[in-house]
Amino acid sequence: QVQLVQSGTEVKKPGSSVKVSCKASGGTFSSHTISWVRQAPGQGFEWMGRIIPIFDKANYAQKFQGRVTITADKSTNTSHMELSSLRPEDTAVYFCAKVSINWLDPWGQGTLVVVSS
Amino acid sequence: EMVMTQSPATLSVSPGERATLSCRASQDIRSNLAWYQQKPGQAPRLLIYGASIRATGIPARFSGSGSGTEFTLTISSLQSEDFAVYHCHQYSIWPLYTFGQGTKLEIK
Repeated sequence: QVQLVQSGTEVKKPGSSVKVSCKASGGTFSSHTISWVRQAPGQGFEWMGRIIPIFDKANYAQKFQGRVTITADKSTNTSHMELSSLRPEDTAVYFCAKVSINWLDPWGQGTLVVVSS
Repeated sequence: EMVMTQSPATLSVSPGERATLSCRASQDIRSNLAWYQQKPGQAPRLLIYGASIRATGIPARFSGSGSGTEFTLTISSLQSEDFAVYHCHQYSIWPLYTFGQGTKLEIK
């Protein structure tokens, strides 16, 4: 059974970048698609993008195109999500999740990213 | 643009009673819908996929129904651990996933 463990809280200045990691244990990492989803305070989930490690191919939501980069390191079973040009409205909890067919299961525990001057 | 609308935003129900949560899609998504439970500070948990199929380990008191644009999550007899936020998720227009805003289920 795959488990996903994410990196810790980040506090960033506007205009900077943040890189969040998601380490998988159990299962075969390279054959699983990993999606990234965020949740702003008091809001619903927002899908950001996904990566298929075995093909090293990523797709992104149009809203984040050009600002987000999702990668997968098969040697460490870790996916990374980097978001650049941060703004205060990027303050959110960022989740990774394994795509099971098309639904998301399991999820990581979430990483809080705070963007503040 | 696909929009998922959940109602109500907050639902107050007493333990032991039934809770009915709704999710509406702006376009036909067939049965391509999942439900997740989210508790504060915890990872969201998959409850239902394919609109009505319980995920592994999910108690039988959770049931999902609907297809097309109207969906329902029913919790037949609320336990204390069921008070949480519930999210619906369409995966019909893939990979452009869309989620509802969530329904907070609170103790009455």
